Amino acid sequence: NAGVTQTPKFRILKIGQSMTLQCTQDMNHNYMYWYRQDPGMGLKLIYYSVGAGITDKGEVPNGYNVSRSTTEDFPLRLELAAPSQTSVYFCASRTGRPTSNQPQHFGDGTRLSIL
Amino acid sequence: AQSVTQLDSHVSVSEGTPVLLRCNYSSSYSPSLFWYVQHPNKGLQLLLKYTSAATLVKGINGFEAEFKKSETSFHLTKPSAHMSDAAEYFCVVLTGFQKLVFGTGTRLLVSP
Repeated sequence: NAGVTQTPKFRILKIGQSMTLQCTQDMNHNYMYWYRQDPGMGLKLIYYSVGAGITDKGEVPNGYNVSRSTTEDFPLRLELAAPSQTSVYFCASRTGRPTSNQPQHFGDGTRLSIL
Repeated sequence: AQSVTQLDSHVSVSEGTPVLLRCNYSSSYSPSLFWYVQHPNKGLQLLLKYTSAATLVKGINGFEAEFKKSETSFHLTKPSAHMSDAAEYFCVVLTGFQKLVFGTGTRLLVSP
């Protein structure tokens, strides 16, 4: 059981380039999340999804886009990379009803540098 | 708005001594609280969660936390630190919109 898998683990981008961070989970979880973690900070929510076809903005959505065409996959897209997007990105998923307090399961992260 | 405050950015202990990582929460109703641990270059792993069933919550690896409503605290403790406990620890609250709000983290350093 792989859990939450993120690819790539590391990436260096030039300013203005675009890329997609991949996230897949094999636990049949309906809720999925994207966070960014900056040095010395906790995680900030970028986008989340409550099921296939449904996404919504978190705290820091600017400069990112997401899609959720399947239950398993929740890719995060950067269209025009900027130095401020240098961060570690975490994908997470959880099961449960909307009011459930089931914990989120996290991937190992993608370390992204924009130069 | 719900939030958590981790009172120490760094905590240093010697191996075999007790660990105390402090967290205060702000919530207008009974919160769901979590402690997560992050080892270097790894994702976050759930240590324990509080969901109002019991005020003393036991987690993995010998950690536990006590929910104190009168003090709005949810401190994480362990009786005896191990070298493998060195990591970043996050106190987290679940908001009414099913989103996690993270504290800024406490880095635990364990010396031999």
